[in-house]
This record gives sequence, C-alpha cells and structure tokens, in this order.
Amino acid sequence: DSGVTQTPKHLITATGQRVTLRCSPRSGDLSVYWYQQSLDQGLQFLIQYYNGEERAKGNILERFSAQQFPDLHSELNLSSLELGDSALYFCASSVDLAGYYEQYFGPGTRLTVT
Amino acid sequence: AQRVTQPEKLLSVFKGAPVELKCNYSYSGSPELFWYVQYSRQRLQLLLRHISRESIKGFTADLNKGETSFHLKKPFAQEEDSAMYYCALSGWTQGGSEKLVFGKGTKLTVNP
Repeated sequence: DSGVTQTPKHLITATGQRVTLRCSPRSGDLSVYWYQQSLDQGLQFLIQYYNGEERAKGNILERFSAQQFPDLHSELNLSSLELGDSALYFCASSVDLAGYYEQYFGPGTRLTVT
Repeated sequence: AQRVTQPEKLLSVFKGAPVELKCNYSYSGSPELFWYVQYSRQRLQLLLRHISRESIKGFTADLNKGETSFHLKKPFAQEEDSAMYYCALSGWTQGGSEKLVFGKGTKLTVNP
C-alpha cells in the first residue's frame, strides 16, 4: 500500500457527462500528479500540483481541469466526456517538487464512458 | 522535445534467461531516468532510478548518454518478474516547469 488513495475505484458514465475523481496523497507529500493510462497511448502525464498551485502541465485536454485543496487532496474534473476518455486515471504523490523524488501511485480510477 | 521510447511492447523469456528491456530517450539537457513497474492488479511503483545506481530485485540499469539509452537488465529472470515495465524521464521545460514523460511500457512475461 503506497498510502495514496483514490475514489471511486470504478466509474461508468455516458458521453457528454461530467465526473470528478478524487485523490488523497500520502501524509506529508505536497506534490500531486495525475496520469491517464489507456491501451493505445500508454501512461500520459496530465498535470502536477504542488502545495495547492499548478506546477506542470502535460497532455491535459481543455475539457479536463484539476485542483489541489488546502488539505492537499486533489480532484480531477473531466467534462463533456467522450468515448475516448475511457481509461485508467492514476494519481501519484511525492514529497517535493522535482521529478527525481519517488512518486507513489494510487490504485487508479477506471473510467468507462458509454 | 522530451520523448521516451520503449521499442518492445511485449517481451517473453524463459525463467533463468537474461532479460533486457530497452529504453531510449530524447532530451537536450541532463535528464533523470527511472524505471517503474506495475505487477498484475497492483499499482505502479518505482523500481529504480539512475541517480541512485541501485540494484533492485536483481535489476540494474545504466544510463548511456552517448546512446541516449537506459536499458533495464537482469541476468536471470524469475516468474515473479512478469509485469508491465515503464521507463520514465524527468526534465525541465524551457518555461521552468518540470515534466515527467513515460514510455508506452513493455509487458514482460517470464515463462516457467
């Protein structure tokens, strides 16, 4: 167990809908990362937050947004969902800003868009 | 642009055989390189990183800047090594923010 929790585990929704994925980092970790894992694209970095502020952006669509709250938990909002958004969404946390600190991954949220 | 290439989607070896999972990268500066592993139904976890020069579970990886490679090697594969392996690169963008880039992964199967 990495100490990173994600809810929900599974989510099934329809196209056009909006969902929110939640992540609680390990105790003491200030950095939160979001990734999307799909069969064809592999693991894609979406966005990073550090102590409440956005620090780095990857291949995140404009329909997606995220935030990190004062208690350091983070939410990833996905809107106007399309079939192609079906994927496993991972959250990871690390103690500090830089990527060479080990990232601890959560179990993921499996999103299915029908 | 930062890029990580893992040329093999699937790799199958027999138990006791040597294994090498290839990783090539593209980055203009001095990157930090990592290998992450995902066992079946488990979460991703760090296997090793080049700055620590560790050997974890018998795996080693050497950063070759000339060939821009960071191949993962193990002299004698075990069945429990069967998993998905991801090579990753951490580097800084021109805008001063950090970016982590993963390869598409190699699924290793070690047959008995």
